[in-house]
Formats: sequence, structure tokens, C-alpha cells
Amino acid sequence: DAKTTQPPSMDCAEGRAANLPCNHSTISGNEYVYWYRQIHSQGPQYIIHGLKNNETNEMASLIITEDRKSSTLILPHATLRDTAVYYCIVRVSGQGGSEKLVFGKGMKLTVNP
Amino acid sequence: DVKVTQSSRYLVKRTGEKVFLECVQDMDHENMFWYRQDPGLGLRLIYFSYDVKMKEKGDIPEGYSVSREKKERFSLILESASTNQTSMYLCASRTLYEQYFGPGTRLTVT
Repeated sequence: DAKTTQPPSMDCAEGRAANLPCNHSTISGNEYVYWYRQIHSQGPQYIIHGLKNNETNEMASLIITEDRKSSTLILPHATLRDTAVYYCIVRVSGQGGSEKLVFGKGMKLTVNP
Repeated sequence: DVKVTQSSRYLVKRTGEKVFLECVQDMDHENMFWYRQDPGLGLRLIYFSYDVKMKEKGDIPEGYSVSREKKERFSLILESASTNQTSMYLCASRTLYEQYFGPGTRLTVT
């Protein structure tokens, strides 16, 4: 079972920031928060991950609350190509062997012109 | 850039046929995975491999087998295809932190 909850969908205007929320109230101390996205008819794509500090890369920023029970993925200037299903996942990182990514239903972000 | 490639984007097979789905990664990753994705069910893990010739069952291994003879290649085999195996099949390989997916193979079994 997915350990995260996300709204089913969200709209955003092109050029504006898209803030994608995720709740993970049962997260364990050694579990990371991961974000992936899946553009239609493609395989999922890794975006970013974090443990407790905020993280930023060339694609997005990840803000994790101090209690780690929720997080927000921020796409600073959304483009039409960011329209996709976004998955928030929690899992233990850095382990060998099995890594079962439980994707859940994700959240459909639609960026409108 | 990490590249995970899958042998076919679209495949149509008949019931009872033996089907091979090939996956190749070019980054020397040890861990490789096969998932299937169905509407409303999300991604489900079929098999994974953490080294050459090593394999472990995922959540839904029934009707499937795998082969990992070389580090870069992980094959999924449907011994006798059935209509309920019509699905999108996704291969992935991973580093310590990131999992990279191939483009997927949409398999239709008629």
C-alpha cells in the first residue's frame, strides 16, 4: 500500500509556480521522500528526493515540513511539458537488494496555456 | 545520461505464445526491475534482480520468469501469454538513490 496521499488532480497556469502537496504522516525516521513523474505513454522519471532538509535541483524544489509528515514539490515556472502524473513516494534509501517503489495513484498536474 | 532501453514499444501476441521482453541499461547498475502498469492499479513489481544470475519475485510473479545472464540485460519472459497479461511493462535500473525507467512496452495479447 502506498504510504502517501496526494490530491487526484491540480491545474496550473503556464509560467506560474506549481506547488504539489503530499502527506506522509506515517513516515519513518529512515525513510526518504521521493518524487517521480510520468508523462503520458512514457516511463516514470525521477525528479528529486530528500530526507529532512529542503532540496533543489535543476528540475524542482522539495520542501519537507519539520515533522516530516508532509512535503511540497515546487516547479518554479511550470511549462506545458510539465503536464504529467506526479508520484510522491516514501522509501528507505541506500539499501541493496529489493527496492519496491509503491507508486500509488499519483496526482495529475495539468499546465494550461 | 542513464539510458534504459526496451526492445519494443508496442507488441501484439497471441494467447499461448512465449513472449520475451528485453531491457538493457548502459550504466553498470546492479539492480534491475520489471513492473507492469495497469489503469487503477498503478505500478506493480513482477521480478527484480540485484546481480547477474540473481533474481527475486516481486508482488505478482505468477505467469512470468526472468533471465539475467549479463549485468546490462534483464529479460522478462511470459511462458504462455494470456489475455490478462495485456499491459504496459516497464523496466528499471537503479543507483543507490535513483531509479531509472525505460520507455515501456505496451503488450497486447489477443
